[in-house]
Amino acid sequence: ETGVTQSPTHLIKTRGQQVTLRCSSQSGHNTVSWYQQALGQGPQFIFQYYREEENGRGNFPPRFSGLQFPNYSSELNVNALELDDSALYLCASSQNLDKSLFFGSGTQLSVL
Amino acid sequence: SQQGEEDPQALSIQEGENATMNCSYKTSINNLQWYRQNSGRGLVHLILIRSNEREKHSGRLRVTLDTSKKSSSLLITASRAADTASYFCATEDTGGYQKVTFGTGTKLQVIP
Repeated sequence: ETGVTQSPTHLIKTRGQQVTLRCSSQSGHNTVSWYQQALGQGPQFIFQYYREEENGRGNFPPRFSGLQFPNYSSELNVNALELDDSALYLCASSQNLDKSLFFGSGTQLSVL
Repeated sequence: SQQGEEDPQALSIQEGENATMNCSYKTSINNLQWYRQNSGRGLVHLILIRSNEREKHSGRLRVTLDTSKKSSSLLITASRAADTASYFCATEDTGGYQKVTFGTGTKLQVIP
């Protein structure tokens, strides 16, 4: 059973650019949730995908968008990057809306 | 926004002592979960307690839930240096989908 993997691990972008972060779910999991974690804070819910459909969204602007693919892997896209977007982005998968989340190691995004 | 607030924000104890962390939340929940995070990377699921349960054990962990007070506690017994990490409570709301909302975290340091 493979775990949740995220790529890249680190990324540096400049303000105004666009970024795509990738996540491979744990084997057998069909639900993916994305979180943003600022330094010293708890993770903030961005959105969730279940069977390729967005299933819920947190308080993030539309420039944060996502996709889930037939193999249940997922992408997080952020357009028009702002300095405050600098954070650790975490992907978590779960099975059939089961309750426990399995997290990847995250992508550390720095916006300069 | 953060659903839960952990207390204390930081805790430093000697190896072998017990560590207690508390969590308060605001809305009705389906379940409450505790996660551990080492060095700002991915979170690891520790334990889940459902809203109709009052206490749950897993190894050296004991979790209690008081839905009337909207609070939970995590007790780690006989702590080890390897328990040094940040601990987060997370709640699944009773809304329509599996939105898991995290608290602000307790930073635990176990001194050898």
